[in-house]
Amino acid sequence: DTAVSQTPKYLVTQMGNDKSIKCEQNLGHDTMYWYKQDSKKFLKIMFSYNNKELIINETVPNRFSPKSPDKAHLNLHINSLELGDSAVYFCASSPGTGTEAFFGQGTRLTVV
Amino acid sequence: AQSVTQLDSQVPVFEEAPVELRCNYSSSVSVYLFWYVQYPNQGLQLLLKYLSGSTLVKGINGFEAEFNKSQTSFHLRKPSVHISDTAEYFCAVRAANRDDKIIFGKGTRLHILP
Repeated sequence: DTAVSQTPKYLVTQMGNDKSIKCEQNLGHDTMYWYKQDSKKFLKIMFSYNNKELIINETVPNRFSPKSPDKAHLNLHINSLELGDSAVYFCASSPGTGTEAFFGQGTRLTVV
Repeated sequence: AQSVTQLDSQVPVFEEAPVELRCNYSSSVSVYLFWYVQYPNQGLQLLLKYLSGSTLVKGINGFEAEFNKSQTSFHLRKPSVHISDTAEYFCAVRAANRDDKIIFGKGTRLHILP
């Protein structure tokens, strides 16, 4: 069983479209994250949720909107996609303080 | 706030030779430290972590790291690398005892030469 799963794995879309990426974890963790990895492999935190509540919101354009229907799911919706949004987006989860995060396999988003 | 610096963007090393990947961190509070590995087109996998206790931490695949508080370093080492170790390695830091974000370094590409 995959611990943190993201769908889709690949997403190719045109500029201006709206798209969503889904994430689910079956580890029973309270905290979930979205990270963005750019073409230079740099990983940057975007959002963090704890038990469905937003606790970290880095400087991310408001075209990006996370939604957590329950603590096992954290979806990312992106409006009006731009070329610069092309990246790999990773979902992760963590049981709480002081522990590592478990990552999904990533979603490679390509905006054309 | 915490930050992480990985001093080398790429490290070439011959197969069966030892390797050290350097990591320095900055923080005004106690931290936990991690090394992750990312194989091509895959997610991140935890290699090892330092939370407390012994400063020498052993991880998977024969890797180990040493926490040095005075030098604010957490360098990763392996005595003999294999071609399968070719990957991107990330050092990461998190404030201790807080449900806070994990901050990553920019990564070091380990390139194994035959």
